[in-house]
Amino acid sequence: SAVISQKPSRDICQRGTSLTIQCQVDSQVTMMFWYRQQPGQSLTLIATANQGSEATYESGFVIDKFPISRPNLTFSTLTVSNMSPEDSSIYLCSVEDTRGETQYFGPGTRLLVL
Amino acid sequence: DAKTTQPPSMDCAEGRAANLPCNHSTISGNEYVYWYRQIHSQGPQYIIHGLKNNETNEMASLIITEDRKSSTLILPHATLRDTAVYYCIVKNTGNQFYFGTGTSLTVIP
Repeated sequence: SAVISQKPSRDICQRGTSLTIQCQVDSQVTMMFWYRQQPGQSLTLIATANQGSEATYESGFVIDKFPISRPNLTFSTLTVSNMSPEDSSIYLCSVEDTRGETQYFGPGTRLLVL
Repeated sequence: DAKTTQPPSMDCAEGRAANLPCNHSTISGNEYVYWYRQIHSQGPQYIIHGLKNNETNEMASLIITEDRKSSTLILPHATLRDTAVYYCIVKNTGNQFYFGTGTSLTVIP
């Protein structure tokens, strides 16, 4: 399975600011995914990020609020823009394995917006 | 996407088998059933997946009914470290995973 790291692991931010979360994987992968997990809730898919193309966003998520970059096959960033307390969540990235069968998740970034 | 239904919580005695049910009555013929678990404050961990046949690996067994409308994840000898939220997911053809609410399993000493 792939080894995935995320930076930062946690952060406390002021409303109105933006935070960029990094996701690094130890092998080349085609598909990466970003999820949000609000307090006490399950995971919600934000978007799918393929290298060399624009990210595909799920219903309820827009590029202006959650811009995503995917510059190469081992790295992606998710920016949470113009944050409000409602954005306080755990943000997780995941990658699809080379056989396209399953996903492996990073440890998550815990964000608190004051 | 096929929706899944799981009991919100279950208890299991340490050392006993934990049987976690999942209903997915609207599953399509080419959709797989996946199980993940999330231990508090960690990213979800892949457990097992299957299409029609029963599957077993070092972590668990997956039993899928013949009509594929339900499945059961079996942890043969539950330990305290198996306390987690277990998610049953039906994977669509677009490779995305859509998580339901899961079952919170508590293993009791």
